[in-house]
Amino acid sequence: NAGVTQTPKFQVLKTGQSMTLQCAQDMNHEYMSWYRQDPGMGLRLIHYSVGAGITDQGEVPNGYNVSRSTTEDFPLRLLSAAPSQTSVYFCASCFFGGNEQFFGPGTRLTVL
Amino acid sequence: GENVEQHPSTLSVQEGDSAVIKCTYSDSASNYFPWYKQELGKRPQLIIDIRSNVGEKKDQRIAVTLNKTAKHFSLHITETQPEDSAVYFCAAKFNNDMRFGAGTRLTVKP
Repeated sequence: NAGVTQTPKFQVLKTGQSMTLQCAQDMNHEYMSWYRQDPGMGLRLIHYSVGAGITDQGEVPNGYNVSRSTTEDFPLRLLSAAPSQTSVYFCASCFFGGNEQFFGPGTRLTVL
Repeated sequence: GENVEQHPSTLSVQEGDSAVIKCTYSDSASNYFPWYKQELGKRPQLIIDIRSNVGEKKDQRIAVTLNKTAKHFSLHITETQPEDSAVYFCAAKFNNDMRFGAGTRLTVKP
């Protein structure tokens, strides 16, 4: 099993550009989530999904969109990137009702 | 929503000493409390967790205690080793919402 994978590993954007961060898991987990990690602030939940076709907002959802068309994939979209979105983004997954989340390797995003 | 506070933000100990990291949470309905270790440039990895119906859990040199009345939980690492140096995060979960503390940078000096 590859576990949780994320692409790209690094990305530099200009203000106003859009992009999609990819996340995939091959563990048949129902629950998937996106976090951002900023220095001194831990991880903050952006959006999560409890299954295909179902998404919900976390603590810091503004500026981000998600969709969940399959169990395996949970992309995160930035429609108009802002410097405040410079961060490291982690995707995570677990079985619904389970608790241990498995994290992907992260995407380091810089918005100029 | 849930709010998790973590202390201290940095902790330096001598190899072989114990390290204690403390967290408090605000939502009494939170029922799952994991601890993650994150090495530099790596992803967070679960090291131990505890559910709300348990007061203490131990795994070799690592233990976690939970006081539901006071709404705080702690990570205890005994006989620390240089490879324990990392950033440690606590978290509290209610339903599908996981909230993390700001992290503790632990340095174990040989």
